[in-house]
Amino acid sequence: DVKVTQSSRYLVKRTGEKVFLECVQDMDHENMFWYRQDPGLGLRLIYFSYDVKMKEKGDIPEGYSVSREKKERFSLILESASTNQTSMYLCASSPRASGANVLTFGAGSRLTVL
Amino acid sequence: GQNIDQPTEMTATEGAIVQINCTYQTSGFNGLFWYQQHAGEAPTFLSYNVLDGLEEKGRFSSFLSRSKGYSYLLLKELQMKDSASYLCAVGVYGGSQGNLIFGKGTKLSVKP
Repeated sequence: DVKVTQSSRYLVKRTGEKVFLECVQDMDHENMFWYRQDPGLGLRLIYFSYDVKMKEKGDIPEGYSVSREKKERFSLILESASTNQTSMYLCASSPRASGANVLTFGAGSRLTVL
Repeated sequence: GQNIDQPTEMTATEGAIVQINCTYQTSGFNGLFWYQQHAGEAPTFLSYNVLDGLEEKGRFSSFLSRSKGYSYLLLKELQMKDSASYLCAVGVYGGSQGNLIFGKGTKLSVKP
């Protein structure tokens, strides 16, 4: 019954490495989101996408990029990982609607950058 | 600016009632959401209010006052499994914020 799948639960990378975090949803949702969650800071939006090949910056896009080549898949890319990107990364999706939408989250990817 | 405030931590006793408050100031309002997040797990949707008043769903209820920028989540007959973080989130229209702006969460500990 898994609906939003994140490819890796735990990753350990070195400073300067390129990191790919993959997210796939099987609910045919138009909207997809990447958040990071840090103690004391809560959930902060990195990037979101309302459609294939579309992307919008969230609150903290610096150091990240995204890719949405297919409707079901939304990838987060760290071009050159840094220690301050050590965090829990959460992917979410929601259907397109006129009002606010309920987000369905993936289980999260905990990234440690050494 | 955008601001959502909720207490950082709360403690309650099994079987009791607890109320978690949330105040918000946002540009544009498109509903108030509550999510539950157990440690190490993904947030899961609990409730949504877009009109003033109380929405009841089993042991959980959520209240909204748009004029006061205020909401609360009420948990009755607390169980140990209710120990989790509770996230208040406000839906906003468009802009660079995406759909939801989240508060920092309230960590609820239920004691026997």
